[in-house]
Amino acid sequence: QQQVKQSPQSLIVQKGGISIINCAYENTAFDYFPWYQQFPGKGPALLIAIRPDVSEKKEGRFTISFNKSAKQFSLHIMDSQPGDSATYFCAASIRGGKLIFGQGTELSVKP
Amino acid sequence: ETGVTQSPTHLIKTRGQQVTLRCSSQSGHNTVSWYQQALGQGPQFIFQYYREEENGRGNFPPRFSGLQFPNYSSELNVNALELDDSALYLCASSSGTLNYGYTFGSGTRLTVV
Repeated sequence: QQQVKQSPQSLIVQKGGISIINCAYENTAFDYFPWYQQFPGKGPALLIAIRPDVSEKKEGRFTISFNKSAKQFSLHIMDSQPGDSATYFCAASIRGGKLIFGQGTELSVKP
Repeated sequence: ETGVTQSPTHLIKTRGQQVTLRCSSQSGHNTVSWYQQALGQGPQFIFQYYREEENGRGNFPPRFSGLQFPNYSSELNVNALELDDSALYLCASSSGTLNYGYTFGSGTRLTVV
């Protein structure tokens, strides 16, 4: 019940395309859903986050869509660029506590 | 000084040995968490310290232990190293215990041979 399931495991997108990564959770006590971006040799960096009281949050080219009834949330990267090539992790936590991470999605944006 | 810094960046140890990893929290952050990230996996929560006290622990055996110092820097100690302990160890700091803004360091890559 503490798991966060992420898909796909890997994703290849053409430059300018839309990248979509999906996550699902079971524990309805989760109240914070961040997305992290990780480059090789680096730690995860917070990209964007959402609380369950809103259905969508947009920051620049990055959008989180949140479906509370389905217990799913997704990351959309518009106008994907080669510099976006990285591993993306969704996560969830309860009241700011430990982060439960998904398994990660390796995104490759082809020029 | 800003950001979370970890040392060393890479480390090779022999099975059965002990290791200490260090973390310097971001300025103003009094909470530190440690995560283990195996190759190709998401980070797994090890434990969290707030004001020098452990206030949360994940599913890791007691040979994983930690300390937080008055300046909020932290150590992760692992005794009796096993091959499966080979991973990237990440430190994350935040302000307070009910905080949603974790800052991660770049990690220490531990290899156990």
